[in-house]
Amino acid sequence: GAVVSQHPSRVICKSGTSVKIECRSLDFQATTMFWYRQFPKQSLMLMATSNEGSKATYEQGVEKDKFLINHASLTLSTLTVTSAHPEDSSFYICSAKTGFSNYGYTFGSGTRLTVV
Amino acid sequence: GENVEQHPSTLSVQEGDSAVIKCTYSDSASNYFPWYKQELGKGPQLIIDIRSNVGEKKDQRIAVTLNKTAKHFSLHITETQPEDSAVYFCAASTSPGGYQKVTFGTGTKLQVIP
Repeated sequence: GAVVSQHPSRVICKSGTSVKIECRSLDFQATTMFWYRQFPKQSLMLMATSNEGSKATYEQGVEKDKFLINHASLTLSTLTVTSAHPEDSSFYICSAKTGFSNYGYTFGSGTRLTVV
Repeated sequence: GENVEQHPSTLSVQEGDSAVIKCTYSDSASNYFPWYKQELGKGPQLIIDIRSNVGEKKDQRIAVTLNKTAKHFSLHITETQPEDSAVYFCAASTSPGGYQKVTFGTGTKLQVIP
């Protein structure tokens, strides 16, 4: 079945540094990927929609200059948290739309980011 | 935008009993309703989904019902097992601008007591 690989699973970084999270579709081409943020014991909040070869579409309230998204190929989207601060600590999850259906989504395993 | 409400937030059942989780949505344009199971520290996994042209769907111990008129849908798990313990999210999806945008419910933490 469709598999989405997300790396790293955990990362700790210092305040002010940048962190890159990768989301890869392993056995299908994903023209559209989604990036979510999840706080402890809360639901998933959509941050942005990543479309291959074009600029990402950000949800209201999400800083595009802080959360840089690049979808340079049909199998890879990256989220870079720039100048990270402790309040950026969260669980980040990507998902990809499986190409053969307008309805199917597969999620990555998530990345736990801790900014110290 | 779409608003999805989910109840209950926590649910404890004895092993072998049934569990029911209910969701309501606000946008009548929503046409796809997936349910996800999320274990601690992992990403959500799709367990069942239903489209707006179907009223009920079943897959072994899991079933989902949809009432478009009332804008609500439910997840039913029968013969629950300890491994069913997890957080379950409902979601509703529309197609603004040519792509599916998914709005998640607030989640239900299910605990199955052996």
